[in-house]
Amino acid sequence: GNSVTQMEGPVTLSEEAFLTINCTYTATGYPSLFWYVQYPGEGLQLLLKATKADDKGSNKGFEATYRKETTSFHLEKGSVQVSDSAVYFCALSVAQGAQKLVFGQGTRLTINP
Amino acid sequence: NAGVTQTPKFQVLKTGQSMTLQCAQDMNHEYMSWYRQDPGMGLRLIHYSVGAGITDQGEVPNGYNVSRSTTEDFPLRLLSAAPSQTSVYFCASTPPGRRNTEAFFGQGTRLTVV
Repeated sequence: GNSVTQMEGPVTLSEEAFLTINCTYTATGYPSLFWYVQYPGEGLQLLLKATKADDKGSNKGFEATYRKETTSFHLEKGSVQVSDSAVYFCALSVAQGAQKLVFGQGTRLTINP
Repeated sequence: NAGVTQTPKFQVLKTGQSMTLQCAQDMNHEYMSWYRQDPGMGLRLIHYSVGAGITDQGEVPNGYNVSRSTTEDFPLRLLSAAPSQTSVYFCASTPPGRRNTEAFFGQGTRLTVV
């Protein structure tokens, strides 16, 4: 079956620290990979995505590279800000469109000033 | 520029009561989905629809019904609420066509069943 495993949280960092949130997946077929972010009290919104091996998705200083050989899609940011505090979800889709997303358990990130 | 609108935002039900969670989107998206979010488990797909008149089950459909009479609306019905259905529910819509299509989420409905 299809599944996504994220590093367990919560993660607490100081402002300007380097961030890595690990994500690995198993999939039948060739998935598209996503990172979604959920700010407090809000729904999920797409942070970045990648659709084929070695693609790098990037947005707002965050990056993730689709690694087929290691079945991974780790999220990184070089210098985090307090405003990055949120819950981050790694997800995959093997269906046409994204209406059947499979999510990881989420990682809560807190950035202290 | 409403996007995906869910109502209500909060709800408390007694065991055995029924209710409908509303979801509407104004982006003319064909695909719509319902997810539940539980601590430590991420989001899990309950039901989804690929267009008006077409629905199908996701990973955790038991205890929930859906219908899709229009492109805009995709209500989720709890016929007899149970404490195990205490969760945060998210509706999402997606334009069809490509595997990398972004899903747009509503702000969620926090449901407590006592």
